[in-house]
Amino acid sequence: DTGVSQNPRHKITKRGQNVTFRCDPISEHNRLYWYRQTLGQGPEFLTYFQNEAQLEKSRLLSDRFSAERPKGSFSTLEIQRTEQGDSAMYLCASSLELSANEKLFFGSGTQLSVL
Amino acid sequence: QKEVEQNSGPLSVPEGAIASLNCTYSDRGSQSFFWYRQYSGKSPELIMSIYSNGDKEDGRFTAQLNKASQYVSLLIRDSQPSDSATYLCAVNPSTLTFGKGTMLLVSP
Repeated sequence: DTGVSQNPRHKITKRGQNVTFRCDPISEHNRLYWYRQTLGQGPEFLTYFQNEAQLEKSRLLSDRFSAERPKGSFSTLEIQRTEQGDSAMYLCASSLELSANEKLFFGSGTQLSVL
Repeated sequence: QKEVEQNSGPLSVPEGAIASLNCTYSDRGSQSFFWYRQYSGKSPELIMSIYSNGDKEDGRFTAQLNKASQYVSLLIRDSQPSDSATYLCAVNPSTLTFGKGTMLLVSP
């Protein structure tokens, strides 16, 4: 499978617990993005990496959220002290940044439910 | 202020008809424009990209861009029930920004 891979597909947790999601991008892609999507909304940008450098973070990314891409390959997104409002689909996307016309390809997402 | 606007729909068309989906954006510096299709419970799938004014055709899909009017559209010819999905307009002024999407329902 040469697409973007995300694990787990589903995560159910209790409020206050920490969760971590993993994303493996398409192998030759140097950019990796995290988005969040709730029902009836479009994906909302959270953060992105170019290689191992985290270049931009959205205001949506509170201090309970942290993302890493330590070797410029896979990435993890951790949410500490989860809240019910964190329930959403967390989408990872990757791209090969060649010009302003980069295209993002999404993984299947991780559906988080906070009880 | 929302940067990418779409009617949420649903837009209902009969099988074989042309479906027309519209999108407006606020950032005049935007250079790249995309249409993604998203089936219920699935992730967005890129179906069209357009970078310059005019039309771009790919099979049954035509994307149209008018930068002066800050308007992007997607036409789907010969609509099929399998086209029933939410269509997301995305614009790239810096990081890719999505609209809420328009739900399309194609009835047999």
